[in-house]
Amino acid sequence: KAGVTQTPRYLIKTRGQQVTLSCSPISGHRSVSWYQQTPGQGLQFLFEYFSETQRNKGNFPGRFSGRQFSNSRSEMNVSTLELGDSALYLCASSSLQGPYNEQFFGPGTRLTVL
Amino acid sequence: DQQVKQNSPSLSVQEGRISILNCDYTNSMFDYFLWYKKYPAEGPTFLISISSIKDKNEDGRFTVFLNKSAKHLSLHIVPSQPGDSAVYFCAASYNNNDMRFGAGTRLTVKP
Repeated sequence: KAGVTQTPRYLIKTRGQQVTLSCSPISGHRSVSWYQQTPGQGLQFLFEYFSETQRNKGNFPGRFSGRQFSNSRSEMNVSTLELGDSALYLCASSSLQGPYNEQFFGPGTRLTVL
Repeated sequence: DQQVKQNSPSLSVQEGRISILNCDYTNSMFDYFLWYKKYPAEGPTFLISISSIKDKNEDGRFTVFLNKSAKHLSLHIVPSQPGDSAVYFCAASYNNNDMRFGAGTRLTVKP
């Protein structure tokens, strides 16, 4: 079974631009969660989508948004990029919603904001 | 607000010995705890979990201990192997909501 895939793997943007990251979950998985990983901060939860509905949202500004499509693929968008948005963005999929169900992570997208 | 804390950024252990990774949390409502392992250039992979109704869960070389009164959990790896060298994250959840992660501990197992 193919794992979680994320595209692109690396991205360089400048301040003020916007970016869209993509995540394809494991086939049959309906839940996709997004996390931001920065050095010293661990992984911070952004949001979770289940069956195209945002189920939960972390404590991030409105510049961070996401959506999920009917095939469970998910996109994350960050508008008006700031230097502090430089991070590894990880998505995870699971068959059911919530961390009680094992989540499978993709390799991440490394975003650098200059 | 860092509700899950891993106070040791790194740990070095000799092959064959025990590795003990520690994690503290502040929210007494957490009812589910997990450990993830992460290799460079890969996403985290699930290692082991424990429900708050238990105080120990074992899976092969990996054992997680939960001390609810101290709000502390630990991951024991016995015996440690060089392939265990990775960053280990602990995470906690309440009512199947989002996971709160610690900052991670980098484990190095020396041959």
